[in-house]
Amino acid sequence: GAVVSQHPSRVICKSGTSVKIECRSLDFQATTMFWYRQFPKKSLMLMATSNEGSKATYEQGVEKDKFLINHASLTLSTLTVTSAHPEDSSFYICSGRGIDTGELFFGEGSRLTVL
Amino acid sequence: GESVGLHLPTLSVQEGDNSIINCAYSNSASDYFIWYKQESGKGPQFIIDIRSNMDKRQGQRVTVLLNKTVKHLSLQIAATQPGDSAVYFCAESINQGGKLIFGQGTELSVKP
Repeated sequence: GAVVSQHPSRVICKSGTSVKIECRSLDFQATTMFWYRQFPKKSLMLMATSNEGSKATYEQGVEKDKFLINHASLTLSTLTVTSAHPEDSSFYICSGRGIDTGELFFGEGSRLTVL
Repeated sequence: GESVGLHLPTLSVQEGDNSIINCAYSNSASDYFIWYKQESGKGPQFIIDIRSNMDKRQGQRVTVLLNKTVKHLSLQIAATQPGDSAVYFCAESINQGGKLIFGQGTELSVKP
């Protein structure tokens, strides 16, 4: 099946620094990618929808200046957590929708810990 | 008083028994539904999907039932195995191309 790769899988950073998480579709082209965050023992919360070549659409309550999303190509989307604080510590998961089939494939997630 | 956050409901079953996991979805306009399995520290894994023009769909050892009248979805797992232990989420969208919104989730624990 199709594979979505996230990098890094784990990252620890100091408060105030910015962290970039990459989401790549390895064997398919994704016109649309979704970014979710998940707190322990909770569900996945949709943060934003990004379409290749255009600005991301953020869900209500998600700060677009805090969580910068770029989807520059059909195989890569990035999420940058700017000026990270401990409350940004979470599990971030991306998913990509295939251009051909419309199927949605999830990455394995990136665990961010902000000290 | 102290507010209590929502915690994942849990379901504990004996190995070999059937499991039924329930989900109430929120948007009456949703017409596409998916069940996912998530193991600790991993991304969601697709199990089975169903469109709103159906009320039942079967896969290998799994069955999804959809009741649009009460906006309820269930996942039945036959002959539950220890490897089925995970958190199960239902997700809904408006047509297959829309954004996917996840439900609360249920933690399934299978006792050997």
